[in-house]
Amino acid sequence: AQKITQTQPGMFVQEKEAVTLDCTYDTSDPSYGLFWYKQPSSGEMIFLIYQGSYDQQNATEGRYSLNFQKARKSANLVISASQLGDSAMYFCAMREGNTGNQFYFGTGTSLTVIP
Amino acid sequence: DTGVSQDPRHKITKRGQNVTFRCDPISEHNRLYWYRQTLGQGPEFLTYFQNEAQLEKSRLLSDRFSAERPKGSFSTLEIQRTEQGDSAMYLCASSLVVGLAGSYNEQFFGPGTRLTVL
Repeated sequence: AQKITQTQPGMFVQEKEAVTLDCTYDTSDPSYGLFWYKQPSSGEMIFLIYQGSYDQQNATEGRYSLNFQKARKSANLVISASQLGDSAMYFCAMREGNTGNQFYFGTGTSLTVIP
Repeated sequence: DTGVSQDPRHKITKRGQNVTFRCDPISEHNRLYWYRQTLGQGPEFLTYFQNEAQLEKSRLLSDRFSAERPKGSFSTLEIQRTEQGDSAMYLCASSLVVGLAGSYNEQFFGPGTRLTVL
């Protein structure tokens, strides 16, 4: 089974609108971390936001928030007030265990912000 | 700039040649990871180092691949007898992991080396 599933290959959003990028995960480890990365066309992976499995509140970082629904094993990324510079690939990733050694990445969602 | 750096950024080689990539992690980071990313996919884990020790290797890492981190600082990834299927972006990441304290172990990625095997 896939550890991380991103079902939206491509998404479009109007500038200044909010957009939700979906991510579901699969693990039997009670301790895990969920991450979102942005990868612009330049190729570098940019860390956006983190959610720990024991965190009680949804993570937020500026315009990014993570909608964490533990029972449904989903960790959707919400980008508010989209900007043209948000156009990029977005990857959801999971680390199993407190100091797990590998990250499992999804296949990514390509976001295009329309002016 | 104190981020993760990788060299070269692009490499074109002929099938059968050997190539070597270098990664310089963030200086205080004790863990270093190598990933491979093919078009339309997320990064796939290849191997990681804790200081100079290579502690885990993916089954994706065939015997043509070898990685080193001799002094616990920079790392090299060598691919011998390259094949067209090796064409990909090779990403390096580093992180600081202290004990088992539940650090969220954020990985900082370099810009990658794009390999094209002709």
